Amino acid sequence: AQSVTQLGSHVSVSEGALVLLRCNYSSSVPPYLFWYVQYPNQGLQLLLKYTTGATLVKGINGFEAEFKKSETSFHLTKPSAHMSDAAEYFCAVRTVLTSYGKLTFGQGTILTVHP
Amino acid sequence: DAGITQSPRHKVTETGTPVTLRCHQTENHRYMYWYRQDPGHGLRLIHYSYGVKDTDKGEVSDGYSVSRSKTEDFLLTLESATSSQTSVYFCAISDPKMRTGSLLGGYNEQFFGPGTRLTVL
Repeated sequence: AQSVTQLGSHVSVSEGALVLLRCNYSSSVPPYLFWYVQYPNQGLQLLLKYTTGATLVKGINGFEAEFKKSETSFHLTKPSAHMSDAAEYFCAVRTVLTSYGKLTFGQGTILTVHP
Repeated sequence: DAGITQSPRHKVTETGTPVTLRCHQTENHRYMYWYRQDPGHGLRLIHYSYGVKDTDKGEVSDGYSVSRSKTEDFLLTLESATSSQTSVYFCAISDPKMRTGSLLGGYNEQFFGPGTRLTVL
């Protein structure tokens, strides 16, 4: 079975600063990894995903994530935070062995952006 | 955006009453899921469906039942609501992209509905 750990339930940055949201996974087989964003009172939207191939994945709104197998990590970064990035972010994992497309989600990280 | 709607969007009910939440999709996706979202727990899978009339339990299925009589609709029922079922409920859909020689789902993402906020008094 796979699992996901998001380090830090709350992250606070200043506008223009680097955003780093941490995600570590556990899986006995190669994982498929996802980052979702949830704005207040909305559903989840996909930011980016890693399936196979290039380990540096670029997503929407200037976010990117790097799959590091040796560190079992898939951290989300953005060089310069905007006020509009304030939201909750979820990391999720599945594998080729996971039936019916089920995902396992992390507990979420709330990102606050200060002016 | 994927065409997924949830109804109602907000509901307040009393302990012991039955409640049904509806998820409707216009994407003809094969898989559908019900999650609940609670602070500190992320999203937890309640039930899922892999086809019409094909459903199975997720990690937090106690107290919930589901039905899927049509591809586009997936219903979640709380037979007798309890205060511990106060939560935000999300429906999601996905569709398998078959890989050569594999009957398992592909690596496509799930698309989420807008959520239903349920309060059980």
